[in-house]
Amino acid sequence: GQQVMQIPQYQHVQEGEDFTTYCNSSTTLSNIQWYKQRPGGHPVFLIQLVKSGEVKKQKRLTFQFGEAKKNSSLHITATQTTDVGTYFCAGPGNAGNMLTFGGGTRLMVKP
Amino acid sequence: DAGVTQSPTHLIKTRGQQVTLRCSPKSGHDTVSWYQQALGQGPQFIFQYYEEEERQRGNFPDRFSGHQFPNYSSELNVNALLLGDSALYLCASSQRDQPQHFGDGTRLSIL
Repeated sequence: GQQVMQIPQYQHVQEGEDFTTYCNSSTTLSNIQWYKQRPGGHPVFLIQLVKSGEVKKQKRLTFQFGEAKKNSSLHITATQTTDVGTYFCAGPGNAGNMLTFGGGTRLMVKP
Repeated sequence: DAGVTQSPTHLIKTRGQQVTLRCSPKSGHDTVSWYQQALGQGPQFIFQYYEEEERQRGNFPDRFSGHQFPNYSSELNVNALLLGDSALYLCASSQRDQPQHFGDGTRLSIL
């Protein structure tokens, strides 16, 4: 079955440093979605990428979808303490919109 | 406009018991998905309901069953609880194949 992997599993950064998490799928994806889960919270939808090579920005967050539509990345510029949480990528299954989540990257920011 | 609501928030059960978790989708959403999230891991897809029928199912045993009502709300039932069923159970709603919105979850502990 489809597998989605993320690296790194954990990342400690000093406030103001940049952060990147990488996502790889075992199969080609029709789209890739990114979610953020704060400690003790629930996943919150951030963005969906659909096109090969697509790049989208949300303020300090930059999302990329690979040319082969099997990998993606999330880059945060100048991290802030409010960025703390676990970032998940998720790909849809073969039918419907069931999501296969990666294991997540937990971001910790030291003030 | 209420988002996805789940009840109860927390639940403690013992091995062998049965549990029912409830979910009301976001207004305007007709599809409900259930996920199990173990501590430190990404959500795992259990099943999805649309038009009161199970549309897709993940790799979970028959002890996990569900239902969707005409008002789109949904229930997740788990029979013969095992210690390994301890997890955060997340409900997500969407409009057909649009991105999913998650509720706060029900934290289930099995003693």
